[in-house]
This record gives sequence, C-alpha cells and structure tokens, in this order.
Amino acid sequence: QSVLTQPPSVSGAPGQRVTISCTGSSSNIGAGYDVHWYQQLPGTAPKLLIYGNSNRPSGVPDRFSGSKSGTSASLAITGLQAEDEADYYCQSYDSSLNVVFGGGTKLTVL
Amino acid sequence: EVQLVESGGGLVQPGRSLRLSCTASGFTFGDYAMSWFRQAPGKGLEWVGFIRSKAYGGTTEYAASVKGRFTISRDDSKSIAYLQMNSLKTEDTAVYYCTRAPRGPKGWFDPWGQGTLVTVSS
Repeated sequence: QSVLTQPPSVSGAPGQRVTISCTGSSSNIGAGYDVHWYQQLPGTAPKLLIYGNSNRPSGVPDRFSGSKSGTSASLAITGLQAEDEADYYCQSYDSSLNVVFGGGTKLTVL
Repeated sequence: EVQLVESGGGLVQPGRSLRLSCTASGFTFGDYAMSWFRQAPGKGLEWVGFIRSKAYGGTTEYAASVKGRFTISRDDSKSIAYLQMNSLKTEDTAVYYCTRAPRGPKGWFDPWGQGTLVTVSS
C-alpha cells in the first residue's frame, strides 16, 4: 500500500494526450512538499522526469509537464510516442514517513 | 558526465550480511547528500535511507523497514557511498539503486545508478 496513490495503468494512442494522477494527503503533498516524477523504461533504472512539481531537467522533451494542486499532482504527456511506454512514479516527502512514492503507473501506447 | 555505479550485490542467505558500494564520478561527491532505494521484483520503488553531506553533519535517516539493520556511510575521499545490510530477510530481495539528492531528503533524486541485484534466499 503506497502512501501516494496512482492509477495502476493508463493508455493512449500515438499523438494523444494522457495524464497520470498522484493523490496524497495533508502530511505530504497537502503539506506543501514538492512532487517529483520519474520514468522507468523496461529493464532500466528510474530517470528523473519532472522536479519541483513542474520543472523539466535538461533533455526532457516539453511534451512532459507536471502540475500540483492541493493534495494532488498530475503528469501530462502530449503527442504520445511509442518510446513513452514505461512505468511512471510520483515521489514526495511525508512529514512522518520521509521519502514516499506512488505505486507506479504503467503507460501503454496502443 | 555525472555517473553512479553500484556494486556488491549477489545471493546471500537469510540472516547474513552484505555491503553495497556506490561509486560516484563527474561531480564533487562530498557536496551532496546521497540516498539508497530498492525495487523488489515486479514491484514499485521504495526509499531505503539517506546520508547528508558532511556540511550538514553527515547524519542518516532510514525507512522503518530497514532501521536497525541497515547502515549508510560515505567515504568522500573515494567518492563512495556504502549500504551495509545486516540480518537480511527474504523480503529484502530487490534491485538496490544509489542516487544523488541535490536538495536533501525533501527534494528529488538524480541521477540513479544502474542498480545491483540482492537476492536473499537459502
């Protein structure tokens, strides 16, 4: 049972837009802690995708965007491509549990 | 290029110990906090623990699941972070990742090493 809640799976056709939600509580996201997103391609290590709720590291396409509101955050991917098929994880900080993650969302490109 | 390389994984019996190493390159290791994560087969990411830089006391924090059994340390002269794992249990079986924490435990983690597999089994 993860502290942050993500949908187990989402899917979309190439070129479409998909969003992945990340729901927390008043002790983590709702307490004002930032949300960060990671992409994990099959068989590889996680890679930072979004940091500080909505910032993209150098090299991450602007097709990826993040937002945060209240006790939730979202990752949006526009212009879906086959290479985006991966697991996506949100991460934040919890005042009592330290570093916390969502359970991960598997993105399937149809 | 900033790079982290984990080593030391393998097969170990329950109750035994294992030490993982994380060798860093491409940045001033001593300036950064470092963290360890793990991922059990087919499961999600789990934070294991964290060590601050010497400038912030070099103190550590651990997840409840490993506290008292695992110890994180660092050798800034060699740019290596260690994860000492004692009293290993079968549920500790996972790929273990080392990461850099540019903003401490409340921030993000980047980059991640390639991971090293630890299998705890008799």
